[in-house]
Amino acid sequence: GDSVTQMEGPVTLSEEACLTINCTYTATGYPSLFWYVQYPGEGLQLLLKATKADDKGSNKGFEATYRKETTSFHLEKGSVQVSDSAVYFCALSDRTGANSKLTFGKGITLSVRP
Amino acid sequence: EAEVAQSPRYKITEKSQAVAFWCDPISGHATLYWYRQILGQGPELLVQFQDESVVDDSQLPKDRFSAERLKGVDSTLKIQPAELGDSAMYLCASSLEAGVLSSYNEQFFGPGTRLTVL
Repeated sequence: GDSVTQMEGPVTLSEEACLTINCTYTATGYPSLFWYVQYPGEGLQLLLKATKADDKGSNKGFEATYRKETTSFHLEKGSVQVSDSAVYFCALSDRTGANSKLTFGKGITLSVRP
Repeated sequence: EAEVAQSPRYKITEKSQAVAFWCDPISGHATLYWYRQILGQGPELLVQFQDESVVDDSQLPKDRFSAERLKGVDSTLKIQPAELGDSAMYLCASSLEAGVLSSYNEQFFGPGTRLTVL
């Protein structure tokens, strides 16, 4: 079945440091890939997405590129801020008819210190 | 801005009791999802509705869990009887119609109901 593997956390960075969070996936079809973010006390929010190979999703300074050859969708940001502290989830949707469920990784907690 | 509403936000119950959670999706969203998120894990789908019909409930423990969306709008998820292992965050999400020919439609998540079973 479909699965998503994220690097182990938590991750603690200083403000303005570079961020990379690794994500790899296993899917039978041609999935769409997503990064969701969960800020403290809030629900999940879509951060960015990519729907086909070589697509780059970007939002709020974050980027991720859909790499079919390595089945990866790593999240990157050049300069993190304290406000980026949250839990980040990589996810995929492998559409089968009307079934469009999301399959999530375990999530990783990012803490950014001033 | 339209949001997915869930209630209650927090629920504490004793094992063997019945609990129910309510979700009101964004107006016009035909597809509704219930996910369960155990602490330290990613959300896992319990059930997906398209209008009032169940599309996928393969991961729903049907001996104790039930879900309904009678008029194709709001939905209720029930657990009876609750067990210690049911302690988790229960998330509801909605999206525009997930038809066979449509492209991916973003899922919008509610704030969740945190259940603690004692």
